[in-house]
Amino acid sequence: RKEVEQDPGPFNVPEGATVAFNCTYSNSASQSFFWYRQDCRKEPKLLMSVYSSGNEDGRFTAQLNRASQYISLLIRDSKLSDSATYLCVVNSPNYGQNFVFGPGTRLSVLP
Amino acid sequence: DAEITQSPRHKITETGRQVTLACHQTWNHNNMFWYRQDLGHGLRLIHYSYGVQDTNKGEVSDGYSVSRSNTEDLPLTLESAASSQTSVYFCASSGGARNNEQFFGPGTRLTVL
Repeated sequence: RKEVEQDPGPFNVPEGATVAFNCTYSNSASQSFFWYRQDCRKEPKLLMSVYSSGNEDGRFTAQLNRASQYISLLIRDSKLSDSATYLCVVNSPNYGQNFVFGPGTRLSVLP
Repeated sequence: DAEITQSPRHKITETGRQVTLACHQTWNHNNMFWYRQDLGHGLRLIHYSYGVQDTNKGEVSDGYSVSRSNTEDLPLTLESAASSQTSVYFCASSGGARNNEQFFGPGTRLTVL
């Protein structure tokens, strides 16, 4: 089983829609969680950290469920510019607390 | 502005050749990382360094080596390039704690024929 798993999609949604991405991780010792965004043929960039109590940044909301080892990202009022691949990232005690990246979920927001 | 750069951006080489990919950051970050990204696998950690003279193996380190002689640079060397090493390579850096946000370079697209 992969350490971080995501639904690969693609998710094709109309502008203005709400879309949710899920991510599961296997190592219960993981302590840090992030969502990164990657545009086609570009480098990943941090979208937001995920905190235990959940957190929001504008149209983006991240949730963490430690008991189920599950992370989610909700995007409200989707914009065309949200089209990208969203990477779930978890730190792993297996590699010196470094990051393990999920394979990514691709989102296309359609006009 | 501080940044992280990689060179070359594109490289084509032949099987068996030695190849070195450069990574240079001006953030003054202690932590530097090399990843490869392949379809279906996401980003996988190759090597990482927490400071000068410190290097560590990641998940997919076979056939790769790194050295850290200063804070700014972490070159990645493919000792004898193989077709399985055709990939996009990203360098990243972070400051402070090891699990802080990582900043990525623009990537190097390597093709091994």
